[in-house]
Order: sequence, then C-alpha cells, then structure tokens
Amino acid sequence: DIQMTQSPPSLSASVGDRVAITCRASQSIDNYLNWYQQKPGEAPKLLIYDAYSLHSGVPSRFSGSRSGTDFTLTVSSLQSEDFATYYCQQTRSLPDTFGQGTRLEIK
Amino acid sequence: QVQLQESGPGLVKPSQTLSLTCTVSGGSISSGNYYWVWIRQPAGKGLEWIGRIHTSGNTNYNPSLKSRVTISADTSKNQFSLNLNSVTAADTAVYYCARDISGDRFDYWGQGTLVTVSS
Repeated sequence: DIQMTQSPPSLSASVGDRVAITCRASQSIDNYLNWYQQKPGEAPKLLIYDAYSLHSGVPSRFSGSRSGTDFTLTVSSLQSEDFATYYCQQTRSLPDTFGQGTRLEIK
Repeated sequence: QVQLQESGPGLVKPSQTLSLTCTVSGGSISSGNYYWVWIRQPAGKGLEWIGRIHTSGNTNYNPSLKSRVTISADTSKNQFSLNLNSVTAADTAVYYCARDISGDRFDYWGQGTLVTVSS
C-alpha cells in the first residue's frame, strides 16, 4: 500500500492567517492526490482533486500544489468556517489510502 | 444533485455479519464511469477505504479486509451494499458510502452511519 504522511498532525491559527498542510507519499503518485475537509459529525467534503484542481463550489482561498511526492494544501486567508480536520488521499493505486489527518484549530 | 444515504443496523454482535445499504438518488448507479465506494472511520481516527463497485459490476477490495468483504449492487433499487463478516470490536466505526469519479476522487458522500460491534 502507498503510505500517506501528513504534517503537522495539528495546527493552531487565527482568522486571516495563511496556513499550509503537507502530505508526503511513500512513492510516486503523479498528481493523483485529493484533499478533503471534515467537520465534527459530518462526512468529508472534497476540496482539491488531482493535486491542483479546485472542486466545484470550493472557495478560491484553497489551493493545492505538488513537488515530487510532497503535496501541499494552502489556505490563503483563514475564515472561521475553515477550522476542521483535513485529509489527503492518493488514488494512484489500490487500495486508495488517506493521510492520518491534520486538525486545524483556532488559536 | 446526487444524494447517498446509508442504512442498516447500528449494533452487530461479534462474529456476525455487518450489512449496510447505500441508497442513491439523483443519479443511476448503473450509468457513467463511476465507482460506488465504502469507507469507514473509527471514532477519533482516520479514513479507511473498504472497497468499491463499478457501474459495470466489477469490484475491488482492500486487501486488509478482502477475505471478509462483499460489495454488491441492486440496480432496480438504485442501491449498493456492504457485507463484512466475522466482525470484531475493531470493526466498530462510522461507515460512509460515496461516489468515486473514474477512480479519481470522491465527490458525493453519505452522512455516515455508526456501527458498533458488541455483545
């Protein structure tokens, strides 16, 4: 299985901050990397797919990038509704695997 | 707008079979290049991909669960189902169904259903 390692496990930030969450794949996954946001008691929601593409309806303050096997989700200016847990997912090869999550908390 | 809804028992005894159904509305499970997927999440933990069924009927399973899992579809009811046998407490989790576009990303999810394995 391809291992996905997210960092940091948790992050404290304030409204208006720029934050970045990283996900490293254990082997090449090309651009087959997605980002999801999950709030307590809710299902995950797709934010970014194929490393860079913004899912329909997702605010443009969310963006994704790639450098080799390292992927980054950036939120340019945090809003109150962005405090949640974020997961990366690789779909390069089965089984699909997820990172362990990054919990974004209000400072 | 596609919607998915999980249903099934919330409590299953150890060694028995966990059975869940996902009812899909707003789209047909037998058309398009989609997979219909099951994912689970133990309380306070991360997401685990269980397996999927394609609109063609082909299935794929997580090797870690493959010997215990069956995913099937009932196109007449626009539903797909998960059976997980010989369950233990380690199978206690929130189970989600979702739509997978071409094996690339999950764009629609059900709300999730908690299944507890306990005697």
